[in-house]
Amino acid sequence: GAGVSQSPSNKVTEKGKDVELRCDPISGHTALYWYRQSLGQGLEFLIYFQGNSAPDKSGLPSDRFSAERTGGSVSTLTIQRTQQEDSAVYLCASSPGLRQPQHFGDGTRLSIL
Amino acid sequence: DQQVKQNSPSLSVQEGRISILNCDYTNSMFDYFLWYKKYPAEGPTFLISISSIKDKNEDGRFTVFLNKSAKHLSLHIVPSQPGDSAVYFCAASSRPSNYQLIWGAGTKLIIKP
Repeated sequence: GAGVSQSPSNKVTEKGKDVELRCDPISGHTALYWYRQSLGQGLEFLIYFQGNSAPDKSGLPSDRFSAERTGGSVSTLTIQRTQQEDSAVYLCASSPGLRQPQHFGDGTRLSIL
Repeated sequence: DQQVKQNSPSLSVQEGRISILNCDYTNSMFDYFLWYKKYPAEGPTFLISISSIKDKNEDGRFTVFLNKSAKHLSLHIVPSQPGDSAVYFCAASSRPSNYQLIWGAGTKLIIKP
């Protein structure tokens, strides 16, 4: 498909484990975003990648969260030593550039037991 | 401190009538606004946007109105159709952080047959 692809769609893990979430953006989109949505809340910005520029990590809630984008395409969001409050839907989006509408994947539903 | 507020958690409208979804914001630096629609277990889908230099933007059945003095925007859907039943989010951004969207908590729209 031509849309943003995220994997896994669901992830259940025990508190204290590390998790990796993957995002394949739309081909040719230079901007990539990660968001988190907790139950009943709006989307919370986590991190932004634009081309080869340094990412904006200002939304990452703690140093347990990190993300990378390899080759300007695929991105991985890593959460170390997961806590129950990390349970949420993690959404990835991409856009052709600044001030362009963001196209979202279907998200990864993360549940920490 | 919610910069973007959607005060109605849900809205029920008869099929064929007009649906009006409202959004208020507090940050006068916001100059770009978007509406997204979200079905369960899917990522948000872009609907329509408006720049602060305009007060109205129309796309088919969807019209967004912006009242800068009141810091208020609204999305009108006319006529409403059953497929419009979804959660609607408004989002805003401001220069220089053009990419960092601030999201409302969403309004669940239910279209009654």
